Order: sequence, then C-alpha cells, then structure tokens
Amino acid sequence: QVQLQESGPGLVKPSETLSLTCTVSGGSISSYYWNWIRQPPGKGLEWIGYIYYSGSTNYNPSLKSRVTISIDTSKNQFSLELSSVTAADTAVYYCARAGGYSSPLGYWGQGTLVTVSS
Amino acid sequence: QSALTQPASVSGSPGQSITISCTGTSSDVGSYNLVSWYQQHPGKAPKLMIYEGSKRPSGVSNRFSGSKSGNTASLTISGLQAEDEADYYCCSYAGSSTSVYVFGTGTKVTVL
Repeated sequence: QVQLQESGPGLVKPSETLSLTCTVSGGSISSYYWNWIRQPPGKGLEWIGYIYYSGSTNYNPSLKSRVTISIDTSKNQFSLELSSVTAADTAVYYCARAGGYSSPLGYWGQGTLVTVSS
Repeated sequence: QSALTQPASVSGSPGQSITISCTGTSSDVGSYNLVSWYQQHPGKAPKLMIYEGSKRPSGVSNRFSGSKSGNTASLTISGLQAEDEADYYCCSYAGSSTSVYVFGTGTKVTVL
C-alpha cells in the first residue's frame, strides 16, 4: 500500500521560503504524477502543482511565480518550495499521487500545517 | 480559474438520499468527463470517492454515485449513514495550460 508523508517546518516567517518534502513508501515514485495541494484553516482545497517522475512540472497559474516542485527519485521524495510567503499561505499542505496528468488524486499524505508568522 | 460552485451545506436523515451539485464552466466540468469527488472528515486527508464522473475506486460503497449534465456534476449518497457526515469536494480537470485541477468550494453534509 502506497503511503505518503509530508515533513518540514511548521512555522515560517513572512517573506521567507516555505519548504516541504513528501516521502513515498510502499511503492516507486516512478511513472506517476506527484502533486501538492493546500487547504487554509476552515477553507477549501487548492491545487498547487505537480511533478512527473521525469521532472516535468505544471503549476497553478495563481502561484506559478513563487512555486518550485522538485523530485529526488533516488530517495523516493519530492519537494515543494513556496517563496515570499505571507499569512495567506498559512494552510495544511498535502502531497498526493495521480496516475496520469489528468487522473484523480488517489493517494494522499496526512497533511502538515504550516503557519506563516513572525 | 475560479473554484467550482457547490452548496455550502446539505443535510438528510439516516436512510435518505442526498445530492450535491458541482457547477463549473464549459472550460472544465463541461469539457471533460474527469470530475472526481473527495470525502474529508475533520482533521483528515481527503479520500477519493468517485472519479471520471461516475466510477468508484475499490472499497468505496456503492451508496455513492456520480453523474454529469452539461457544466454540472452531481454526487448522490443513498441510504445516508452517520459515517457519511463529512465535507465533500468536487474536482475537475481543467486542461494542461491552466490550473490542471480545479476544486469545488466544498459541501458540509450533516446527518440529522
């Protein structure tokens, strides 16, 4: 059974860069699309972007200028960097797997809360 | 890309059926048969319940069903049970040149 686990700092200062890693276990990171989604407290879900195991990416246009998603197939991990964060970036961040570029998000991590505050 | 529109809340008694609507545009819901539905209990990650409009992943109860007409997708829960009380989000593929996935605004389902 594939499992995903997010990790990273729970507190980030305004204007700094948020960095999270998702570790994939129980299966290979190859041949799938690896996504980041976030959910502000009490609000809905927002897709951030994905990376294919080959390294190709696609980002939400509303975040594109601040987002970088990378992958390390040797470690079965992929990562999210979000720069110049503000309080509006406070959210639970989820990583998730999709079988294809338009496929549903079938496997999710448990999520990690990141708070942006000085 | 704007979020898909869902009713904020839907309620029903145990055993009843409820339907949650998800309205998009001709650029997302109306263009692709790629709507998925997610169930989210408080403090938990979303769980895939329906994909490609009407297909159920293995292990999901057949009390959950999906459909689509034009720019509106729907999720029906029949034989409502207490464990179905949760938030539900629709999600549509919106093309590779825009926000690939567009989520709905979310619906709180309450079992009376």
